[in-house]
Amino acid sequence: SQQGEEDPQALSIQEGENATMNCSYKTSINNLQWYRQNSGRGLVHLILIRSNEREKHSGRLRVTLDTSKKSSSLLITASRAADTASYFCATRRGSNFGNEKLTFGTGTRLTIIP
Amino acid sequence: AAGVIQSPRHLIKEKRETATLKCYPIPRHDTVYWYQQGPGQDPQFLISFYEKMQSDKGSIPDRFSAQQFSDYHSELNMSSLELGDSALYFCASSFFGGTGELFFGEGSRLTVL
Repeated sequence: SQQGEEDPQALSIQEGENATMNCSYKTSINNLQWYRQNSGRGLVHLILIRSNEREKHSGRLRVTLDTSKKSSSLLITASRAADTASYFCATRRGSNFGNEKLTFGTGTRLTIIP
Repeated sequence: AAGVIQSPRHLIKEKRETATLKCYPIPRHDTVYWYQQGPGQDPQFLISFYEKMQSDKGSIPDRFSAQQFSDYHSELNMSSLELGDSALYFCASSFFGGTGELFFGEGSRLTVL
């Protein structure tokens, strides 16, 4: 990927455990977003964090952003089998309210073992 | 709620043929994006349109062209297809002044034989 690199590329955990995925990017950004993709399906937006925010929560999701390290992490707590999917971070350089493209990272394939 | 509609969902073509993919954005969304995703790869930005004008261009081959029509739907035309064009093609939409998230369709899977 030209922008985001995700770590790890694949992760398998037991149901009920927490899953943490990391994303690094190279350029300055305005916001960073996380998307989920079930195999062969469309991407679904999970959460957006702006460059002036450090942490954000949404249900079982917690996202952190460290602009000094150009990195973000996505934590999914109390994982469920339905969380099995690929997770991508995506960055936007322009205005929060603009229509600039998103640049996606390489993704983490998460498998939840029942 | 209405979502982004893409058609066809699956398409099989021979090398050197032409293919056209269609995208119908969410009503009142003014921006359409096209992404290409190869097997096991991240989505790669191809091109976007805002209010029917091209707004950004990514790694779109010269063999590909796209446009956004007056009703805001968009079409991606691909000619002289190559084996390497086999991929999932996603369309996404958003509106200027919105939350900044993109809404994706389910994709069109193109297989070139």
